[in-house]
Amino acid sequence: SQKIEQNSEALNIQEGKTATLTCNYTNYSPAYLQWYRQDPGRGPVFLLLIRENEKEKRKERLKVTFDTTLKQSLFHITASQPADSATYLCALGGSSASKIIFGSGTRLSIRP
Amino acid sequence: GAVVSQHPSWVICKSGTSVKIECRSLDFQATTMFWYRQFPKQSLMLMATSNEGSKATYEQGVEKDKFLINHASLTLSTLTVTSAHPEDSSFYICSARDGAGLVGYNEQFFGPGTRLTVL
Repeated sequence: SQKIEQNSEALNIQEGKTATLTCNYTNYSPAYLQWYRQDPGRGPVFLLLIRENEKEKRKERLKVTFDTTLKQSLFHITASQPADSATYLCALGGSSASKIIFGSGTRLSIRP
Repeated sequence: GAVVSQHPSWVICKSGTSVKIECRSLDFQATTMFWYRQFPKQSLMLMATSNEGSKATYEQGVEKDKFLINHASLTLSTLTVTSAHPEDSSFYICSARDGAGLVGYNEQFFGPGTRLTVL
């Protein structure tokens, strides 16, 4: 069955450093991959989408890579700030433009 | 733009009662809406996909007679939890996709969620 794995343990990073989150998947060939941010008690907020034919995508301090051979995506936040503390979810979607499948998320904490 | 609202944001009800949750796209037309359930520290689990004017498609293991979904307009979908029991207590989140989006672009806009507690 399709499986998405994200770091199950919380990631603690010193402010100003780069945070790197990992998303691995198996038994799936997604057409695209998305990253979302979720704060406690809130719905997810879309951050970035990267398609299967793209290697890297950037948006301000965020960078996402997508390696379809390794079946892995890396999500980077450079110059991290305490306000970046949240749970980050990766999600995979197929070419049919229907449902997407979410990973369980990684909780990121940026300490001052 | 692309704002999705949910109402109520939280609800407490007695076991056996029914609860209706509304999901609205405020500034775009949502041809497709999705309903998710999320338990603490777990992932979002898709319950059903609803397309405007047609019956919802439920995921395996989700009882369609218990979780009634209506998507009567391009801006409103409702989820009714019928005869709710304590095990239905969860965080319910809807999302909407802009039907006018680019081909192959599948960004979903999420609502703020509804916390359901069944006593």
